[in-house]
Amino acid sequence: AQSVTQLGSHVSVSEGALVLLRCNYSSSVPPYLFWYVQYPNQGLQLLLKYTSAATLVKGINGFEAEFKKSETSFHLTKPSAHMSDAAEYFCAVGRGSNYKLTFGKGTLLTVNP
Amino acid sequence: GAGVSQSPRYKVTKRGQDVTLRCDPISSHATLYWYQQALGQGPEFLTYFNYEAQPDKSGLPSDRFSAERPEGSISTLTIQRTEQRDSAMYRCASSLTAWGEKLFFGSGTQLSVL
Repeated sequence: AQSVTQLGSHVSVSEGALVLLRCNYSSSVPPYLFWYVQYPNQGLQLLLKYTSAATLVKGINGFEAEFKKSETSFHLTKPSAHMSDAAEYFCAVGRGSNYKLTFGKGTLLTVNP
Repeated sequence: GAGVSQSPRYKVTKRGQDVTLRCDPISSHATLYWYQQALGQGPEFLTYFNYEAQPDKSGLPSDRFSAERPEGSISTLTIQRTEQRDSAMYRCASSLTAWGEKLFFGSGTQLSVL
């Protein structure tokens, strides 16, 4: 069985501040881990994914995430928030493939001017 | 097509009616997925297709839900005798294969059962 916990359903930061969105996972096998972003009225878009290569994964729009097996975490960070980063972010875990991903409940990121 | 297209964008129906949702994936993509997303929750897997084969439909909540992809391209998700608990966003996604490539999601169909 696999599961994802996203801590914080809503995170608010100021423009230019650090963005940290937390994700912890549970998986009985080595996981594939993903972060997806959803902008209003759009479909989910892949930000980045971890597939057992480098533990620090760089994604689009300046985001990155670090896989920490000892902490079962895959937190998403960005050094400096932009207004355009305001969206809902979903962490997901898979068992070595795309299908049957288990998603977290999502974290809504608000960026204040 | 250039992206994953879902129709209708919104569907309002009365309890007990049948509804059919449509997904048109990216044309080169072999694999198509259906997810259900209730308000305040993340998407939950319903079923997926590799071309026209449907290897896994374990996520379908009941036998009122069915999906098909007869020619390996467009897919439909049908909910018979809808219930209020079926109200959710239904998301379709596609990928080149089921292994490792990213999912491309459509904008979803928001279903409201009154």
